[in-house]
Amino acid sequence: SAVISQKPSRDICQRGTSLTIQCQVDSQVTMMFWYRQQPGQSLTLIATANQGSEATYESGFVIDKFPISRPNLTFSTLTVSNMSPEDSSIYLCSALAGGGQETQYFGPGTRLLVL
Amino acid sequence: AQSVTQLDSHVSVSEGTPVLLRCNYSSSYSPSLFWYVQHPNKGLQLLLKYTSAATLVKGINGFEAEFKKSETSFHLTKPSAHMSDAAEYFCVVSDWNTGFQKLVFGTGTRLLVSP
Repeated sequence: SAVISQKPSRDICQRGTSLTIQCQVDSQVTMMFWYRQQPGQSLTLIATANQGSEATYESGFVIDKFPISRPNLTFSTLTVSNMSPEDSSIYLCSALAGGGQETQYFGPGTRLLVL
Repeated sequence: AQSVTQLDSHVSVSEGTPVLLRCNYSSSYSPSLFWYVQHPNKGLQLLLKYTSAATLVKGINGFEAEFKKSETSFHLTKPSAHMSDAAEYFCVVSDWNTGFQKLVFGTGTRLLVSP
């Protein structure tokens, strides 16, 4: 398994500003992922972050709005840029771990409220 | 594309009675299936996973799920509900079409447990 931590756990931000969310894994992992969970909704994949390459974004998500860094095998950041109230969500990171690398383990999430 | 359908948005049970959370999947090949649980204000925790081994999968906290290919189902069960089981449960299918694991989440089932 993998233990994943995220910072900050929650934040309240003003529209037009940006927030960077950090994700730390307790072991080296190849693939990390960023998800968004809007209020009362299920999880939607934003992008996949592999170390040493650019992130791969899902339809509806763009790099200018959600830039991602993956500087090493244990760490990644997601920035939510030029925020609006519609960006108020829980943002979760996950990592692919386990013996067969077939299980995603999730961080506790970052609760973001944009005013 | 892979998908899952969670048939109930809410399930209410009394403490000590059985739990059944229903999930049907759609997959063009043998899928990997997961159940995750999300307690209020907490991150996602893996309950159990099916990856083409035994069709009856046992998970944590007394939960289990049975993979039934003929019915394309992966229902989650527990013989006796505890108050602490009250949470949101997500059925998830793994999609490897893109060359890496992408999780596709169901819409979630909220389990309510009454004394």
